[in-house]
Amino acid sequence: EPEVTQTPSHQVTQMGQEVILRCVPISNHLYFYWYRQILGQKVEFLVSFYNNEISEKSEIFDDQFSVERPDGSNFTLKIRSTKLEDSAMYFCASRHPAGGHNEQFFGPGTRLTVL
Amino acid sequence: GDSVTQMEGPVTLSEEAFLTINCTYTATGYPSLFWYVQYPGEGLQLLLKATKADDKGSNKGFEATYRKETTSFHLEKGSVQVSDSAVYFCALSHNNNDMRFGAGTRLTVKP
Repeated sequence: EPEVTQTPSHQVTQMGQEVILRCVPISNHLYFYWYRQILGQKVEFLVSFYNNEISEKSEIFDDQFSVERPDGSNFTLKIRSTKLEDSAMYFCASRHPAGGHNEQFFGPGTRLTVL
Repeated sequence: GDSVTQMEGPVTLSEEAFLTINCTYTATGYPSLFWYVQYPGEGLQLLLKATKADDKGSNKGFEATYRKETTSFHLEKGSVQVSDSAVYFCALSHNNNDMRFGAGTRLTVKP
């Protein structure tokens, strides 16, 4: 069964460094999403992406964040200058355009630790 | 804006007990409703879903009914197992939009 994959599974970085989190959505999906989950808290929406542009973003998704679909298969989240509070689990999700039930398929997540 | 409210956990039950996790929502229009499960150390997995009023989603013995009159989507299971221990998230989504999650309810089932 096709699935969303994410790499790395765990990323440790120093405050102020740039990180890129990578996702490979399910191949025939056209809507892509990033969410984050700070330890012990709820899953929060960051951004949605369709047709090579951001379709919606939350207040969390400020100028330090960017997304890209560089090669038609990967979907990346970049944090330019990480802060301690960026430490969280980051989930990628994708959805098929004919997914009339709005079901999003989630990857296993990347745990980001900012020191 | 749209939001989801879940009963606070943690919930601890004995094996074979009956489970209810309450979920209510606030939304315009007719969102789709979901329950996701997160097992320890893993990502989010869709457990079940319902797309319109009075629909019942079911999977692995879990059930939830979309109740528009009470804006609820409570999760139930008649007999829980130790392997059901996980965090359960209620969520809603409109077309093409972000998924709004509840805070999650941690369930621990003891043998």
